[in-house]
Amino acid sequence: SQQGEEDPQALSIQEGENATMNCSYKTSINNLQWYRQNSGRGLVHLILIRSNEREKHSGRLRVTLDTSKKSSSLLITASRAADTASYFCATDWAGANSKLTFGKGITLSVRP
Amino acid sequence: DVKVTQSSRYLVKRTGEKVFLECVQDMDHENMFWYRQDPGLGLRLIYFSYDVKMKEKGDIPEGYSVSREKKERFSLILESASTNQTSMYLCASSATGTGWYEQYFGPGTRLTVT
Repeated sequence: SQQGEEDPQALSIQEGENATMNCSYKTSINNLQWYRQNSGRGLVHLILIRSNEREKHSGRLRVTLDTSKKSSSLLITASRAADTASYFCATDWAGANSKLTFGKGITLSVRP
Repeated sequence: DVKVTQSSRYLVKRTGEKVFLECVQDMDHENMFWYRQDPGLGLRLIYFSYDVKMKEKGDIPEGYSVSREKKERFSLILESASTNQTSMYLCASSATGTGWYEQYFGPGTRLTVT
């Protein structure tokens, strides 16, 4: 399976702390994306990093990609209670024809 | 503002019923997708379509069919609903081309089959 695997499965932190979530995958990819899902809702795209990029920033989000290790990390700095959600990595692997393969997700709880 | 809408947020059907889930996008996207989401299993692709009247099986197509008669609309059909199809169903769309594009998701339909 090309499915990405997130780590940890669940994370609980205090408001203001940083949250780091990891994703590993198995095959060569075109890009890797991170999505957020609030409880009972659809997914929202956060950030996309291409296979030839190593780091990308968007507001309080920082994503890194290490293609040699087939892994990515998502860092949320200065977390807020509103960041409480599930986070998914998704890979667009070579030959996938626009399809994404999602991991099982990480549940992040930010305590006020 | 881009939008993907799904016909129902919550749906309760009986075993054996034919169920239609509708998805509409207003972004003129070529690609549309149907996923189901179950606890501990993440999102699994049921079917996707890369053009009108075109469809391709995803990872778990058994028990489902799809229809795409117009570019903006993608329907998921459960021919004879079963209890193991109780799940959250998510529709998404994306553009296509030489770049790489994110998927836009609808709010989801929580289907219960009794």
